[in-house]
Amino acid sequence: GQSLEQPSEVTAVEGAIVQINCTYQTSGFYGLSWYQQHDGGAPTFLSYNALDGLEETGRFSSFLSRSDSYGYLLLQELQMKDSASYFCGGLNTNAGKSTFGDGTTLTVKP
Amino acid sequence: NAGVTQTPKFRVLKTGQSMTLLCAQDMNHEYMYWYRQDPGMGLRLIHYSVGEGTTAKGEVPDGYNVSRLKKQNFLLGLESAAPSQTSVYFCASKGTSWDTEAFFGQGTRLTVV
Repeated sequence: GQSLEQPSEVTAVEGAIVQINCTYQTSGFYGLSWYQQHDGGAPTFLSYNALDGLEETGRFSSFLSRSDSYGYLLLQELQMKDSASYFCGGLNTNAGKSTFGDGTTLTVKP
Repeated sequence: NAGVTQTPKFRVLKTGQSMTLLCAQDMNHEYMYWYRQDPGMGLRLIHYSVGEGTTAKGEVPDGYNVSRLKKQNFLLGLESAAPSQTSVYFCASKGTSWDTEAFFGQGTRLTVV
């Protein structure tokens, strides 16, 4: 099975950079994904890493190190609208299922 | 372009009642999933389907049943609702098992009293 751990809360100020870490224990691991969920809304896909290294998508970047069973999501130039919950998900080779961490609530302050 | 649509959006049930949640996707996706999300927690997989006519159990299947009679629809049933099933239910779909992005519906907020 899979288990993923991430911090429950992170607070940062507008314009700053924040990193949300995710460590995992897993079998049948295919890659690590990140989703954003605003309060009361649906999770939406942000990023995915199949290989070690950094993937950049605009203000968001995601990193994976398979040898360390570790990944992170980096958010730059924070905006108030980035206040949301962020989930890391381990993509499993079995039926393409994802197992998610409990989520990190990011609060961006002025 | 509707994507993934869940009905209903909200529902209150009494203990012991039954109901069916409907998930419909218009992207011709093979894979569909039902998750539940409890406060402060992540998404836990209830059941999933890898194609029309197939279903399989996820992490937390007890108390739920599913059906996938048509490719575009994935139904989640609660035969005898319990307060422990109070949660937000999300449906997701993707085209193939190796697709990295899953598309989620807007969720169904269910309260069992």
